Amino acid sequence: DTEVTQTPKHLVMGMTNKKSLKCEQHMGHRAMYWYKQKAKKPPELMFVYSYEKLSINESVPSRFSPECPNSSLLNLHLHALQPEDSALYLCASSQPMSGHYNEQFFGPGTRLTVL
Amino acid sequence: SQQGEEDPQALSIQEGENATMNCSYKTSINNLQWYRQNSGRGLVHLILIRSNEREKHSGRLRVTLDTSKKSSSLLITASRAADTASYFCATNWGFNKFYFGSGTKLNVKP
Repeated sequence: DTEVTQTPKHLVMGMTNKKSLKCEQHMGHRAMYWYKQKAKKPPELMFVYSYEKLSINESVPSRFSPECPNSSLLNLHLHALQPEDSALYLCASSQPMSGHYNEQFFGPGTRLTVL
Repeated sequence: SQQGEEDPQALSIQEGENATMNCSYKTSINNLQWYRQNSGRGLVHLILIRSNEREKHSGRLRVTLDTSKKSSSLLITASRAADTASYFCATNWGFNKFYFGSGTKLNVKP
């Protein structure tokens, strides 16, 4: 199974809502990533989990809260978001080889709209 | 910023022609990767070239890397309409950091 799944595909939420994005992979990868992508822009790295531990937080606002319950699952909890947080949120995973992380496998993304 | 720049920003060619896109980056890297993204969807990994490699081939793809100039190029030969997509380079540096270039939007006309 070389697939990364993300749910939901689309999400519309108000600024006072709390919601979660979910990501799952069964490739045995030990690194998982969250990216944010605005329209016509490249993906921007948000968080990296390495062996289920948060290893990188790219100065993301605290209204985004990542969680890695186990090696296959990655969540992104959303609270009190702003309209400018509307974007495509992409999850990816990769497996370390020779001390470096190699190709990433991406999920299809969750299209988030904040009203 | 580690994020690279890609050029051209947009490229429109006829089916059968070759497409070349370039990527520049700023700091030392472990490897450089190219990804394709169809409109509004997830990214698909195309090819990876390590910092000690200069050229790599995969099917109709040819990637070069010049670490002295901190640049890479992706050549797609004999392009097809199905190659229409956005193409991004991504640099892998540090332990597990990836940064994406600004992207090239390729349109292949049938």
